[in-house]
Amino acid sequence: DSGVTQTPKHLITATGQRVTLRCSPRSGDLSVYWYQQSLDQGLQFLIQYYNGEERAKGNILERFSAQQFPDLHSELNLSSLELGDSALYFCASSPGQGWNGYTFGSGTRLTVV
Amino acid sequence: GQQVMQIPQYQHVQEGEDFTTYCNSSTTLSNIQWYKQRPGGHPVFLIQLVKSGEVKKQKRLTFQFGEAKKNSSLHITATQTTDVGTYFCAEYSNSGYALNFGKGTSLLVTP
Repeated sequence: DSGVTQTPKHLITATGQRVTLRCSPRSGDLSVYWYQQSLDQGLQFLIQYYNGEERAKGNILERFSAQQFPDLHSELNLSSLELGDSALYFCASSPGQGWNGYTFGSGTRLTVV
Repeated sequence: GQQVMQIPQYQHVQEGEDFTTYCNSSTTLSNIQWYKQRPGGHPVFLIQLVKSGEVKKQKRLTFQFGEAKKNSSLHITATQTTDVGTYFCAEYSNSGYALNFGKGTSLLVTP
């Protein structure tokens, strides 16, 4: 157990639907990062939050959004889902800027059918 | 942002053989991190290199940061089946806030 909790572990949904992925960071970590992993694109950075505020954005689609709540847990919302959104979504956390590494959760596997 | 290139993409070795993966950048890196992801698992942080020419060892793993801070390598001596997985290098984007990962080197070790 890495200390980063992601739910659900698996999600199967239809095209056009909306889903929410949840992440609880390791205790004491203020930064949360979301990554998408697919076979052909590797680990793609989506977005980072630090202590409730958006800190950095990567290749995140406009159909995707995220937020970090006062208790520091984070949610990634994916809407108008397409087949190509099927991937493994990882959340990671770090105490600050991650200069000593990120701690990853076990991921949510999203399948869009 | 910056993009680190990893080679090779795949490597298949016999148990006991050595293995090396390389990470290259066209620009100078502030630091570089290495992660390992077992099949079906999540990335796990291995190490961070910061200084030019830095060499760090973890048992059979040796990590190096190039003198010009544009490349890094991970060398595994006498591989074991437990070394199977994908090894990623990662560097900070231009914003300095989030890691950009290379595409990884997948290592397969057969007994």
